[in-house]
Amino acid sequence: QKEVEQDPGPLSVPEGAIVSLNCTYSNSAFQYFMWYRQYSRKGPELLMYTYSSGNKEDGRFTAQVDKSSKYISLFIRDSQPSDSATYLCASLQGAQKLVFGQGTRLTINP
Amino acid sequence: KAGVTQTPRYLIKTRGQQVTLSCSPISGHRSVSWYQQTPGQGLQFLFEYFSETQRNKGNFPGRFSGRQFSNSRSEMNVSTLELGDSALYLCASSLDPGAVNYGYTFGSGTRLTVV
Repeated sequence: QKEVEQDPGPLSVPEGAIVSLNCTYSNSAFQYFMWYRQYSRKGPELLMYTYSSGNKEDGRFTAQVDKSSKYISLFIRDSQPSDSATYLCASLQGAQKLVFGQGTRLTINP
Repeated sequence: KAGVTQTPRYLIKTRGQQVTLSCSPISGHRSVSWYQQTPGQGLQFLFEYFSETQRNKGNFPGRFSGRQFSNSRSEMNVSTLELGDSALYLCASSLDPGAVNYGYTFGSGTRLTVV
């Protein structure tokens, strides 16, 4: 079993919709949680990170962590075609190692 | 400012050969990590170097090795290539991954195909 599980999708929604992306994790020691966005033929780009449980908002993006249920979420409001990409959740194991979910391929249709 | 530079972008090798991939981190970044990305396994951690020392290693066979130079540039080597080594190899750099705020910046990767 992977330490971070993520539905690979694909997920297709119309422009302007609210997108919800989710991951679960199994390691209780995980404290830092990140969301990366990866466009085709590019490396992952850090969108947001959160520490422990709680919410963090950055523009149209909101990240949530619920440590009691080991659940990580990313919400995208007013989705745009330019948001079409693969979204990867990750957690930091120790100080140096990122443990990634499988990634969810998202398409926003104009 | 320049990002993380990986060379070459694409590589085709034959089974049994060896390959060396290069990564130049962002100027001032002293930590370099390597990841393998495949459709089946996703992104998997290979190893991390800081000040020329390997601090952490993932669960890969000894055919996968790396090193870091005094200018923080890093190379990874895969010997006796297997078909299953075909993947996108990503390098990420950070000022110091002990401080999460700094984040990890990834390069665009080297696409290795083993035939």
